[in-house]
Amino acid sequence: DAEITQSPRHKITETGRQVTLACHQTWNHNNMFWYRQDLGHGLRLIHYSYGVQDTNKGEVSDGYSVSRSNTEDLPLTLESAASSQTSVYFCASRLDSNTGELFFGEGSRLTVL
Amino acid sequence: SQKIEQNSEALNIQEGKTATLTCNYTNYSPAYLQWYRQDPGRGPVFLLLIRENEKEKRKERLKVTFDTTLKQSLFHITASQPADSATYLCALLLTSNYQLIWGAGTKLIIKP
Repeated sequence: DAEITQSPRHKITETGRQVTLACHQTWNHNNMFWYRQDLGHGLRLIHYSYGVQDTNKGEVSDGYSVSRSNTEDLPLTLESAASSQTSVYFCASRLDSNTGELFFGEGSRLTVL
Repeated sequence: SQKIEQNSEALNIQEGKTATLTCNYTNYSPAYLQWYRQDPGRGPVFLLLIRENEKEKRKERLKVTFDTTLKQSLFHITASQPADSATYLCALLLTSNYQLIWGAGTKLIIKP
């Protein structure tokens, strides 16, 4: 079955370290998204991609970067982790249609000490 | 300012009753609205989509209404079961940039 997987599921790091969260989908979807979820807030869009070599900034992109070298993967990098980036991160994908449902990964819980 | 609101307090419902969750928004012109279910420690799972020109959508025990005049969507679960306990998220697709804007979710607890 097609799926979307995130790794690691849990990570603890220190302020200033570089961290990369992986996202891999086998749906063959062109659209991929990274969100963060914090208590009391809705999902907030960090970065998104509509296809290979395409990346776009979302609502809360500062301190994050992504790259899209193939259809399946959209890794999220925190260049210099900050305590404010402690959160649960979700990767999602969808078909090209703008009305399509999102398929989410299981999430990556990141703690920055 | 633009915002989307869901009841922040948990909703406690007796098993067998109908649960109704609310999603209100201001200053948006959405093309459609989606509802998702999220279990603890898991990613959201899509449930239903309703377009701006649709008043009501049904799927099994689920029913969604969309009132663009009131700027509100209602999500109903009939004959509720303890297994329906979860957090339910609503999301609007904006016509301006085709991005989804998310509510913070409402936690639903169905008591046996």
